[in-house]
Amino acid sequence: GIQVEQSPPDLILQEGANSTLRCNFSDSVNNLQWFHQNPWGQLINLFYIPSGTKQNGRLSATTVATERYSLLYISSSQTTDSGVYFCAPFNNLFFGTGTRLTVIP
Amino acid sequence: DAGVTQSPTHLIKTRGQHVTLRCSPISGHKSVSWYQQVLGQGPQFIFQYYEKEERGRGNFPDRFSARQFPNYSSELNVNALLLGDSALYLCASSQAGGSSYNSPLHFGNGTRLTVT
Repeated sequence: GIQVEQSPPDLILQEGANSTLRCNFSDSVNNLQWFHQNPWGQLINLFYIPSGTKQNGRLSATTVATERYSLLYISSSQTTDSGVYFCAPFNNLFFGTGTRLTVIP
Repeated sequence: DAGVTQSPTHLIKTRGQHVTLRCSPISGHKSVSWYQQVLGQGPQFIFQYYEKEERGRGNFPDRFSARQFPNYSSELNVNALLLGDSALYLCASSQAGGSSYNSPLHFGNGTRLTVT
């Protein structure tokens, strides 16, 4: 069956540090999104990135569809980056297991 | 422009009852999807509707049903509630749907359902 795995499952950072979150998927994709779920449960669309690289401020994402993975980079992390990060390939029908990020001041 | 709006925000129901959750998509979006998120897990896909037709269904029992109206708003209905139905129910809208699904998804703030 289709599998979406994210790593690491948990990450604790000091404010200002950089991090890389990974999403591996078991089949070819024609779209992929990254989401941030804040501590209040709101799911925010970060990137729509079926392939290539995109940047938005301190965040950037890269998807290598042929190798079935996507990376989310967070630079100069802030406490407001805390929450759970999900990737959703496969037409948003399947969400990954999530990476819980905690940024400590 | 208003984002995806869901109502109610919180709901408490008793086992065996039924519940109706509502969602209004972003203006111009024709597709609505429903997800269930249990505490500690990622969202699980329930339904997708596009142009008032069901275009996808996840692995949920027949107690779950949905529909989309001509104005593209949507309702999710759950009958014979079980304790395990307690979750955050998320609605998402996108511009496109159907076989391609190639359209970014935008989520509402969810309805938190508690079944006692």
